[in-house]
Amino acid sequence: RKEVEQDPGPFNVPEGATVAFNCTYSNSASQSFFWYRQDCRKEPKLLMSVYSSGNEDGRFTAQLNRASQYISLLIRDSKLSDSATYLCVAPPGGNLIFGKGTKLSVKP
Amino acid sequence: NAGVMQNPRHLVRRRGQEARLRCSPMKGHSHVYWYRQLPEEGLKFMVYLQKENIIDESGMPKERFSAEFPKEGPSILRIQQVVRGDSAAYFCASSPVESSYEQYFGPGTRLTVT
Repeated sequence: RKEVEQDPGPFNVPEGATVAFNCTYSNSASQSFFWYRQDCRKEPKLLMSVYSSGNEDGRFTAQLNRASQYISLLIRDSKLSDSATYLCVAPPGGNLIFGKGTKLSVKP
Repeated sequence: NAGVMQNPRHLVRRRGQEARLRCSPMKGHSHVYWYRQLPEEGLKFMVYLQKENIIDESGMPKERFSAEFPKEGPSILRIQQVVRGDSAAYFCASSPVESSYEQYFGPGTRLTVT
């Protein structure tokens, strides 16, 4: 089983839609979780951390389910500028382990 | 505060040549990480360095690849005798001492081996 797995998508949604991604991780020792965003041919950028109690930042909500070993990212009121690949990160130790990413395309 | 800097942004090498990729971390960051991203693939960890020390090189291929982060100057990722399969985007990231998970990425070097 891969350490971090994500649905590659693409998720094609209209502007204003709500979309959610899940990411499963295999190492129960992972303590910190993150979502990164990567635009086409650009570097990844930290989007938000995922805390046990959940984390909300504007239109973005991240949640952690330790029992089922998955994290989720919810995007409300999608904008065209949200189109990107979203990478889930679940480091078991000192190094980041990235999922392959979920591609989101927001259409007008 | 300048971000993570990488150069060159694009590098073309013929098979058998050497490739040298440079990374200057953000000011105040002493941890450097190198990742490789093959086309249509995810980011793969290669190596984690602090000044003058390799902390974790578990993701580095055993042959032809090496990395350093000298006391002065940028971190260098060196690939000797490049092959076509080395063609990829190589990203460097840096983090502050207190939070190695909070990594900031450079724009990457796109290596093409012809």
